[in-house]
Amino acid sequence: DTEVTQTPKHLVMGMTNKKSLKCEQHMGHRAMYWYKQKAKKPPELMFVYSYEKLSINESVPSRFSPECPNSSLLNLHLHALQPEDSALYLCASSHPGQSNEQYFGPGTRLTVT
Amino acid sequence: QKEVEQDPGPLSVPEGAIVSLNCTYSNSAFQYFMWYRQYSRKGPELLMYTYSSGNKEDGRFTAQVDKSSKYISLFIRDSQPSDSATYLCAMSDPETSGSRLTFGEGTQLTVNP
Repeated sequence: DTEVTQTPKHLVMGMTNKKSLKCEQHMGHRAMYWYKQKAKKPPELMFVYSYEKLSINESVPSRFSPECPNSSLLNLHLHALQPEDSALYLCASSHPGQSNEQYFGPGTRLTVT
Repeated sequence: QKEVEQDPGPLSVPEGAIVSLNCTYSNSAFQYFMWYRQYSRKGPELLMYTYSSGNKEDGRFTAQVDKSSKYISLFIRDSQPSDSATYLCAMSDPETSGSRLTFGEGTQLTVNP
């Protein structure tokens, strides 16, 4: 089973709201990722968790706060976002190590009004 | 100069055609090479993953890596309308970049019935 699930599929939030994106995988992967993708652009890496510890933060603004409660779950907490943060947010997972064979979820389409 | 250059397309072909998608790269440390297919408003789907130079075949898809020329290709035989999507090449250098994938900009493919 190579499935990564993400909820919600769509999210509309105001600039003062707090919301969370959720990601789950049951492939036994111990590395999980958050990406942001704008239209007609490739995914941009935001965060990497390896063995439930944050290993990479690509200088993402603090209004994005990741959390990895266990090896199967990954959350992205959102607060005080800007309209330019509207994008497709993708979760991915892989075995940690050298292969980087990453499997993506379907994404959450976020609109900030 | 970008580390990975991908023919941007868009590419439009008739059903049944052979499609060739290509990426060149400048970083000789890249060791792992992937092709992702992304349908509109969906997450990227891992199509092919290769490590060494040479060819790898999976059904109608063939991935080719030429490390000496720093060039990778994806061939699609007997293309179908369902192959219409954006194709992203991705590669990684685990020694220095850890879990980071470097993506091409993507090629939008349309297969016309």
